[in-house]
Amino acid sequence: EVQLVESGGGVVQPGGSLRLSCAASGFTFDDYAMHWVRQAPGKGLEWVSLISGDGGSTYYADSVKGRFTISRDNSKNSLYLQMNSLRTEDTALYYCAKVHIGAVAGIDYWGQGTLVTVSS
Amino acid sequence: QSVLTQPPSASGTPGQRVTISCSGSSSNIGSNYVYWYQQLPGTAPKLLIYRNNQRPSGVPDRFSGSKSGTSASLAISGLRSEDEADYYCAAWDDSLSGLYVFGTGTKVTVL
Repeated sequence: EVQLVESGGGVVQPGGSLRLSCAASGFTFDDYAMHWVRQAPGKGLEWVSLISGDGGSTYYADSVKGRFTISRDNSKNSLYLQMNSLRTEDTALYYCAKVHIGAVAGIDYWGQGTLVTVSS
Repeated sequence: QSVLTQPPSASGTPGQRVTISCSGSSSNIGSNYVYWYQQLPGTAPKLLIYRNNQRPSGVPDRFSGSKSGTSASLAISGLRSEDEADYYCAAWDDSLSGLYVFGTGTKVTVL
């Protein structure tokens, strides 16, 4: 059974940093690209970032480019999101998500999310 | 910023058929597979349709997807109370830097 468990969320002041983690199990982690997707309170889904299975290719939404860094440690079956220069508009529930087999980026499994609140 | 446009809401009575549209462009829907996700209140999204019209195991055949050109649609037939949720389409976008785009989301209400 695929499981994705996010952690690392919390309250941070504007301009601060936070590192999110996602522990994956139930599948061969390094065979699959992985996403971070966020959802602001009461709003829709917003894609944040994607990383290839070997970590060699990364993609970012314009809204986070230059501030967020996605990475993975395949030896630990873990995905990360380093978030710097945080803004109030980054407040959201952050989901870790697995790419569907054979897909460019379509998602088949989602974690339960970790809440990030940026506030002074 | 969403580049896939969905109607904000849709509704129907139990047993009715509801259709949700998803409008994109040649760089996303027009050249890539469309995925649909269902988000029940207070829960994480769940895969509903993949590769335009395929259902994962466990998804009732009341749900169906289609794609034509730069638009896609999700149909729910035999609407049930448990279908009340938010629905999102999504596709990869072959823009300069590459990105994954979600639809604006549609809230389905069962009257």
